[in-house]
Amino acid sequence: GNSVTQMEGPVTLSEEAFLTINCTYTATGYPSLFWYVQYPGEGLQLLLKATKADDKGSNKGFEATYRKETTSFHLEKGSVQVSDSAVYFCALVVGNEKLTFGTGTRLTIIP
Amino acid sequence: DTGVSQDPRHKITKRGQNVTFRCDPISEHNRLYWYRQTLGQGPEFLTYFQNEAQLEKSRLLSDRFSAERPKGSFSTLEIQRTEQGDSAMYLCASSPSGTGWDGYTFGSGTRLTVV
Repeated sequence: GNSVTQMEGPVTLSEEAFLTINCTYTATGYPSLFWYVQYPGEGLQLLLKATKADDKGSNKGFEATYRKETTSFHLEKGSVQVSDSAVYFCALVVGNEKLTFGTGTRLTIIP
Repeated sequence: DTGVSQDPRHKITKRGQNVTFRCDPISEHNRLYWYRQTLGQGPEFLTYFQNEAQLEKSRLLSDRFSAERPKGSFSTLEIQRTEQGDSAMYLCASSPSGTGWDGYTFGSGTRLTVV
C-alpha cells in the first residue's frame, strides 16, 4: 500500500532560521507528491506539489524536490517567519484519486 | 465561489446519538471526498463520490457511517450510534475530475466531540 512517513514534531525555531521537515514515502505506482499546510482554525491548503522525479515544487519561499532514488520530498525554507507557524502535512496520490497523508509536523516560530 | 463549505463547524453530542454533517463543494467540481482527522494524525480517507455515485469506501467507514450525494451537489455524512472514538475533525474536499491536483480544495472541517 501507500504510506508517508513524516518528521515528528513539534518543531520550534527562531525567526529567520532555516527549516527542514523530512518526508519519505512508499507507493505502489508512480506518485505525485504534495505539501499541505493547516493554519489554526482553518482547512488544509495546498502549499506546493511535484508530479515527477526531480521536479521542484515551490511557493511562499518553501521548496521541496521529488527524489525518486531516496523516495523523499523534504520541505525547506531558508528564513522562516512567525506567520509560518502551522501544521505541515506531506501527502501523495497515485492516479487521480485519494490522498495519503503523513501524520503532520507542528511548526512554531518564535520572534 | 466561496470554496468548500462545511456545516456545522463544531458538534458536541452524547454517545449513542446520531449526527449528520453537510458539505457543499465548489459548484463545478464533480468529485467530493470525505476524510477524518484525529488529534496528532494526518487526514485519513473515508469515501469519495463522482457526481452522485459513491465510488470507493474505506474500511474505516463502519456500518454506522453512511454518506450520500443525492443530486451530485452537496453531500451528507451521517454517523449513527456515535461512540467516543468517533471524536475527530471530519474534512470534506472537492475537485474537478481529470484536472490534476490544482483543483483539490478542502473545507474547514466539522469538529465532532462525543461525550
